[in-house]
Formats: sequence, C-alpha cells, structure tokens
Amino acid sequence: AQRVTQPEKLLSVFKGAPVELKCNYSYSGSPELFWYVQYSRQRLQLLLRHISRESIKGFTADLNKGETSFHLKKPFAQEEDSAMYYCALHRGSTLGRLYFGRGTQLTVWP
Amino acid sequence: GAGVSQSPSNKVTEKGKDVELRCDPISGHTALYWYRQSLGQGLEFLIYFQGNSAPDKSGLPSDRFSAERTGGSVSTLTIQRTQQEDSAVYLCASSPGGNQPQHFGDGTRLSIL
Repeated sequence: AQRVTQPEKLLSVFKGAPVELKCNYSYSGSPELFWYVQYSRQRLQLLLRHISRESIKGFTADLNKGETSFHLKKPFAQEEDSAMYYCALHRGSTLGRLYFGRGTQLTVWP
Repeated sequence: GAGVSQSPSNKVTEKGKDVELRCDPISGHTALYWYRQSLGQGLEFLIYFQGNSAPDKSGLPSDRFSAERTGGSVSTLTIQRTQQEDSAVYLCASSPGGNQPQHFGDGTRLSIL
C-alpha cells in the first residue's frame, strides 16, 4: 500500500537559515511526487512536482528512490515561506487520487 | 475567476441534519476530487470522479456520505444525519486528467453543533 510520511508536524527556523521539510513515501511502483503549500487564509496550491525538476520560490526537491524520500529544501528561508506544506504521491501512470502526508507547519521567524 | 469554486464557504448545522456541499470545477477539467481536512488528520481523500467512469468511492467514511457529478461538471457532496465528527473543511479539486496536478478550491468549513 502507498503511504506518505511527513515526520515533522511543526518546523521553525530563522530568516536566512536553510530549511528542509522531510517527506518519505512507500509505494512499490514508480510514483509521482508533489509538494503542495497552503499559506494563511489561502487555498492549497501546487508548489512543485518532481518530474518538472524546477525551482519554485527558491525551493527544490529531489526524488531519491533509494531512500524513498522527496525532501523539500530552501537554502535561505524567508518570512513569507511560513505556511503549511503537504507532500503528496500519485501512483504514476494510473489515474486517481493523491495520497497526502499529514503536513508540516513551517514558521520562519524574523 | 477561472478557479475551482465551492459553496457555501461556511456551513453551521445541527447534529442529525443533512448538508449539501457544492463544487464547480475548472471548465474542461475531467477529473474532480473531494478531500476532507481536519485538525491533526491532514488531507483525507473522499471520492474521485474521472469523466464518465464509475467514481472511486473508496475514501467515503460511511454510507452517510455520498457524492454525484452531474453532466461531468458540477459536483455535490451530501452528508446525511450529520455527526459532530463530520466537522472539517471539505475541499474540492479538479485536474485536466487523472494524472495532472490538482487545483483546489477554498473549501467549505462545516461545523456540526
């Protein structure tokens, strides 16, 4: 069965510090991994997906199939990065739902 | 705007009443999803519609929950005989296809008294 784990419910860093939000998954096939973000009083929105291999708002995430991880990283956190972050898995080429982790609330202090 | 639209934005009702939540997906999106967001529970999948295929209802928590999608567009999630544990934010999302990124609405905050 597929599962997404975000081990940290809460994460706090100071502005300018590096930040890493952890995501581990379990799935026997070839998954697609996503990071979604929800800023205060805004709707949930896509931040990035692993197949795009792009950097959005300074964030990057690399799919590590050996460690079954898709950690989200940013070298210098900003206050506006404070939000709830969800890691999500899609079962590759098959149609269907996303499997979400429970989310990590990131707070960036000034 | 062209985003996913949900109504009402807030709903307060008494335990035991039925409620209907509505979702207008982005025009042309064939896939539509319902999720529930509760404190400490993250995002819980409820149901998924893809085109004319039979919906994936595997996430519905009980037979009090049902959903339909008329004409491949608007969807209604119905909760019968509401219970206090049904209190949550109900999110709808749509995508151009089942394996494309999902676009979310603002949700309906449901409170059961």
